[in-house]
Amino acid sequence: AQSVTQLGSHVSVSEGALVLLRCNYSSSVPPYLFWYVQYPNQGLQLLLKYTTGATLVKGINGFEAEFKKSETSFHLTKPSAHMSDAAEYFCAVSEADLGTLTFGKGTMLLVSP
Amino acid sequence: SAVISQKPSRDICQRGTSLTIQCQVDSQVTMMFWYRQQPGQSLTLIATANQGSEATYESGFVIDKFPISRPNLTFSTLTVSNMSPEDSSIYLCSISETGLSNSPLHFGNGTRLTVT
Repeated sequence: AQSVTQLGSHVSVSEGALVLLRCNYSSSVPPYLFWYVQYPNQGLQLLLKYTTGATLVKGINGFEAEFKKSETSFHLTKPSAHMSDAAEYFCAVSEADLGTLTFGKGTMLLVSP
Repeated sequence: SAVISQKPSRDICQRGTSLTIQCQVDSQVTMMFWYRQQPGQSLTLIATANQGSEATYESGFVIDKFPISRPNLTFSTLTVSNMSPEDSSIYLCSISETGLSNSPLHFGNGTRLTVT
């Protein structure tokens, strides 16, 4: 079975600082990988996805992630944090042929002035 | 992408009662799913809602506790039966427009359930 590990349940950064949220996965086949963001009292919103092709993918709100097969990682980054980025971020891997997703436990991003 | 409307958005229920959550999509979609997000936890798949047939439940979830309906390609309901405080969670409806594993899921805003 596939699994997703997100290192750090909470990450704190200052406004303007680099954001790095870590995600590692286990999969016996090439995975499809996703990052979602959840703002308070809202559902999940897709940030970006990797399916095939370029390993550096760009998403909404200035976020990007790089698929590194050798490291089984899909870390999420943003060069400069904004206060509005404060939210919970989930990494997910697709279950082949089922259309469902397995999620990591999430990382709460805290942004201070 | 499709717009997903889920209701109620939140509810407070008494132990032993049941709550039915509705999920309406503004277009026909291939697959609909129900997830649970317990406090401080990640999302766990409850079941796949199959149009015109019984839902497919994940390990640890049973039809008697979480009956699901999907009468057509735009609508599904999840019932949380005989509730206990342990059922306090966010319940999320999600859809896959293509049903393919490289297609992202889209989510409703969730139903925040508190059982007292």
